[in-house]
Amino acid sequence: GAGVSQSPSNKVTEKGKDVELRCDPISGHTALYWYRQSLGQGLEFLIYFQGNSAPDKSGLPSDRFSAERTGGSVSTLTIQRTQQEDSAVYLCASSYAGGTKRLYGYTFGSGTRLTVV
Amino acid sequence: QKEVEQDPGPLSVPEGAIVSLNCTYSNSAFQYFMWYRQYSRKGPELLMYTYSSGNKEDGRFTAQVDKSSKYISLFIRDSQPSDSATYLCASGGSQGNLIFGKGTKLSVKP
Repeated sequence: GAGVSQSPSNKVTEKGKDVELRCDPISGHTALYWYRQSLGQGLEFLIYFQGNSAPDKSGLPSDRFSAERTGGSVSTLTIQRTQQEDSAVYLCASSYAGGTKRLYGYTFGSGTRLTVV
Repeated sequence: QKEVEQDPGPLSVPEGAIVSLNCTYSNSAFQYFMWYRQYSRKGPELLMYTYSSGNKEDGRFTAQVDKSSKYISLFIRDSQPSDSATYLCASGGSQGNLIFGKGTKLSVKP
């Protein structure tokens, strides 16, 4: 596609439920990133996939968070047993050959606005 | 100390003013410096991309990086109401991910 596509755009869930957020990156972009944006907190790095390498999970805030990337393309971020503090905008970005010889600029999706009630 | 620090503002200027946005960073290994613009309820979009020190100009926008002082700046000349947005600075090395500042909310009044 022409841009990074994220779904759903909005998600309201009850505390304790699991949610799955989807990201479809730009075709040909080998790097994929998940960030979380909370009011007043800026963009918080969560996880990064580069090609076939093991993902960098260093930003995941707890073991309730996990992500996978299938076939080097679509990625799913899963949050288990959601808590109210998980409410935020979850942004996905992709880039060309990130984390190798050069750091390229990211193209972001519009995000998924998650509200845990 | 966070790796990238940015004054969140908000910053309000009249139309036509010169806007100066600034960040500092702490990691000497950072070589890539970017500015993103984010409109309300949208994802950030890449505005300026700089490698190492120096200036880069694109239309009304100028990005400056001073690695000796670890200081990043974005200047907007002849600011327009359409420039009203949140501006995020970001830095990183050749390995890994970008580290973002918290963003500065800019409002340009007609």
